[in-house]
Amino acid sequence: TQLLEQSPQFLSIQEGENLTVYCNSSSVFSSLQWYRQEPGEGPVLLVTVVTGGEVKKLKRLTFQFGDARKDSSLHITAAQPGDTGLYLCAGGSGGSNYKLTFGKGTLLTVNP
Amino acid sequence: NAGVMQNPRHLVRRRGQEARLRCSPMKGHSHVYWYRQLPEEGLKFMVYLQKENIIDESGMPKERFSAEFPKEGPSILRIQQVVRGDSAAYFCASSPPVRGEQYFGPGTRLTVT
Repeated sequence: TQLLEQSPQFLSIQEGENLTVYCNSSSVFSSLQWYRQEPGEGPVLLVTVVTGGEVKKLKRLTFQFGDARKDSSLHITAAQPGDTGLYLCAGGSGGSNYKLTFGKGTLLTVNP
Repeated sequence: NAGVMQNPRHLVRRRGQEARLRCSPMKGHSHVYWYRQLPEEGLKFMVYLQKENIIDESGMPKERFSAEFPKEGPSILRIQQVVRGDSAAYFCASSPPVRGEQYFGPGTRLTVT
């Protein structure tokens, strides 16, 4: 059974700080996706990474896929209250990466 | 461009009743996936469907649960004779045929009393 461990589970910081959250597995994934979920809503796709060592930037968010495609990190620069939410990583497997395995998420709170 | 639509957003059922959850994929998407999110747990894959075909139902409980995606109309996740343990948020996602990225709907929160 493939598992994704996310850390930390909870993170509370002040506006303007930088942070990094992690997603680790003992399994290799064909692709890895990061989502953000707000209370009462569905996950919203942020990025997909598919190549070992790949780095993608989305404004203040930087995503990295490990060389061995077993782990990933999300770094946020100068966090803002609007970044508050549950950050989920999901690994794709199966012939077309359709069967996503989700971590339990990191609940980020950015205080003004 | 409308996103993935799910209804109802909240559903309350008594033990033993049936629950029907509906999902309309994004325009142009032909693949539908259902996931379940239990309290304190991550989302778990249940089933993957294309029009009129179940591709992978390896995450579906063996009894009481079924899913369909007819030629016309939304995808339906059906839970017969619900029990308290079925209380959860059920999310539907859809993807375009080529890229495969999944876009999620807002979910249906099922409460079994």
